[in-house]
Amino acid sequence: GAGVSQSPSNKVTEKGKDVELRCDPISGHTALYWYRQSLGQGLEFLIYFQGNSAPDKSGLPSDRFSAERTGGSVSTLTIQRTQQEDSAVYLCASSSVGAGVNTEAFFGQGTRLTVV
Amino acid sequence: SQQGEEDPQALSIQEGENATMNCSYKTSINNLQWYRQNSGRGLVHLILIRSNEREKHSGRLRVTLDTSKKSSSLLITASRAADTASYFCATALYNQGGKLIFGQGTELSVKP
Repeated sequence: GAGVSQSPSNKVTEKGKDVELRCDPISGHTALYWYRQSLGQGLEFLIYFQGNSAPDKSGLPSDRFSAERTGGSVSTLTIQRTQQEDSAVYLCASSSVGAGVNTEAFFGQGTRLTVV
Repeated sequence: SQQGEEDPQALSIQEGENATMNCSYKTSINNLQWYRQNSGRGLVHLILIRSNEREKHSGRLRVTLDTSKKSSSLLITASRAADTASYFCATALYNQGGKLIFGQGTELSVKP
């Protein structure tokens, strides 16, 4: 596609429910990133994919968080048993090769998750 | 803890003035990038400077990198009200593949 697409753009869920957030990267981009941003804060690194594998999962806050990427394209971030502190904007980005080889990241518009 | 620390956290200037934002980091990098964010949603890439570069220009933007001090600065010259946004530095960590770590950001307000 023309840009990174995230869905849904907004999600309100009840505490304890599971949610799935989706990211469609730019076609052909091998690197994909997930970040979390609380109101007025910086971007917290969650996970990074190169192709379908995730060399670095160190940012996932707890075992309630998981992510997968299939076909080197679409990625899904799943949060199980949501808590109020999970409320934030979840941002996805992709890059053609990977930031480490001097390429920029392109961001989606994010999913605003509110846990009530 | 975050790799990047930005300074100042907030900056308010008049149109036409220059704005300078600083970023410090802790570990070796492949490159450092600056991004802009409007209204708390998607970020837009501004400029990338490689670890072996010291200065880079793009339009009204000037970025410097001092790897000995592990710091970078972003200068916006002749600022405009439309430059009002949050600005983030991001570091691509050395020997960690494509991992890209962001700082806390500087909130810039340019008053007409």
